[in-house]
Amino acid sequence: GAVVSQHPSRVICKSGTSVKIECRSLDFQATTMFWYRQFPKQSLMLMATSNEGSKATYEQGVEKDKFLINHASLTLSTLTVTSAHPEDSSFYICSARKGGLGTEAFFGQGTRLTVV
Amino acid sequence: GESVGLHLPTLSVQEGDNSIINCAYSNSASDYFIWYKQESGKGPQFIIDIRSNMDKRQGQRVTVLLNKTVKHLSLQIAATQPGDSAVYFCAENIGSGGSYIPTFGRGTSLIVHP
Repeated sequence: GAVVSQHPSRVICKSGTSVKIECRSLDFQATTMFWYRQFPKQSLMLMATSNEGSKATYEQGVEKDKFLINHASLTLSTLTVTSAHPEDSSFYICSARKGGLGTEAFFGQGTRLTVV
Repeated sequence: GESVGLHLPTLSVQEGDNSIINCAYSNSASDYFIWYKQESGKGPQFIIDIRSNMDKRQGQRVTVLLNKTVKHLSLQIAATQPGDSAVYFCAENIGSGGSYIPTFGRGTSLIVHP
């Protein structure tokens, strides 16, 4: 099966610092990766879509300068939360798609970010 | 369509019962749908998918029904077990071909009582 690994699984950081979250497709090449944010007892909200080698496409209301996404290779995408604040505390989930028509997206295990 | 951001509805069932989880999707152009299971503190896990040229698909203990006329999906779980307790999301894939973007519905929390 297709495995997507997300690291770290949990992180606590101080307000004003930046945090990087990695998303790796371990056994396939991901042409497209997605980043989601999930608040407790709520659904996953798409933040951005990134294609390898090009700039990410951000959803309306998501600050691209705050949530920096890099998809430098077919197996790695990173999300950096810059100048984090307590309201950025959330569960961040990445997803990777192999490419082709209608292929499912495989999800990482998520990263619990707590900003103190 | 789904109101992302509202708190999750809950379905409570007894072990051994059949469960039916419903989902309304928003885009009539969506043609590929997936049900995911999410356990606490984990990422979503694929359960079953269905394309719009089908109205029913069966897997192991699960069946997905698609009604395109009213933009409705359901997930049926047979002989529900305590291990099925989780949050279930339907995701419609918006876009076309290789540009599919999974968009999640509100989700339903399934609680199975032993």
